[in-house]
Amino acid sequence: DTGVSQDPRHKITKRGQNVTFRCDPISEHNRLYWYRQTLGQGPEFLTYFQNEAQLEKSRLLSDRFSAERPKGSFSTLEIQRTEQGDSAMYLCASSLIIALDEQFFGPGTRLTVL
Amino acid sequence: AQKVTQAQTEISVVEKEDVTLDCVYETRDTTYYLFWYKQPPSGELVFLIRRNSFDEQNEISGRYSWNFQKSTSSFNFTITASQVVDSAVYFCALSEAGTGNQFYFGTGTSLTVIP
Repeated sequence: DTGVSQDPRHKITKRGQNVTFRCDPISEHNRLYWYRQTLGQGPEFLTYFQNEAQLEKSRLLSDRFSAERPKGSFSTLEIQRTEQGDSAMYLCASSLIIALDEQFFGPGTRLTVL
Repeated sequence: AQKVTQAQTEISVVEKEDVTLDCVYETRDTTYYLFWYKQPPSGELVFLIRRNSFDEQNEISGRYSWNFQKSTSSFNFTITASQVVDSAVYFCALSEAGTGNQFYFGTGTSLTVIP
């Protein structure tokens, strides 16, 4: 499968725990985006990377959230001290710089905070 | 302010009826892209169509058609002869060259096709 992959697909955690999600973009895609989708809403932008550089962060990305893309390939999104309001689907997308209008989305990681 | 507005929260139609999903967008960029995605209960976003701001030509793909009108900032999506498999949440999205091409999604329209 050469699409965007995300791991895990589902995560259940207790409030206050830390969680980390992984996104593997399509090979050679320079741009990588993270979105969050809560129930009944459309996905909302969190942050994006161009290669290993994090170029923009949404105000939705509180201090408890951190994202990395250390080698310009896969990316991780960590949430510290999870809260029930963090329960959502976390989506990753990737694209080529020369084709920024084409974003390919992964299947998402569904987080449930108890 | 919402950049993408999908005023229809939920729509129900009887199978074989035509249905139009509305999308109104707001942007100051001259270069932008508009998209429609389908999200079935499984949760994955399924790409349907992409249009750029310089191409107002309407498009038809099978039972799907799209009407892009810059004058009214609208990008509406019509399903002809709806089928039960069309039941899903449909999202309209905007991508602007001036904001890193991040996607701005509408709140979605939940379509239920009744057999």
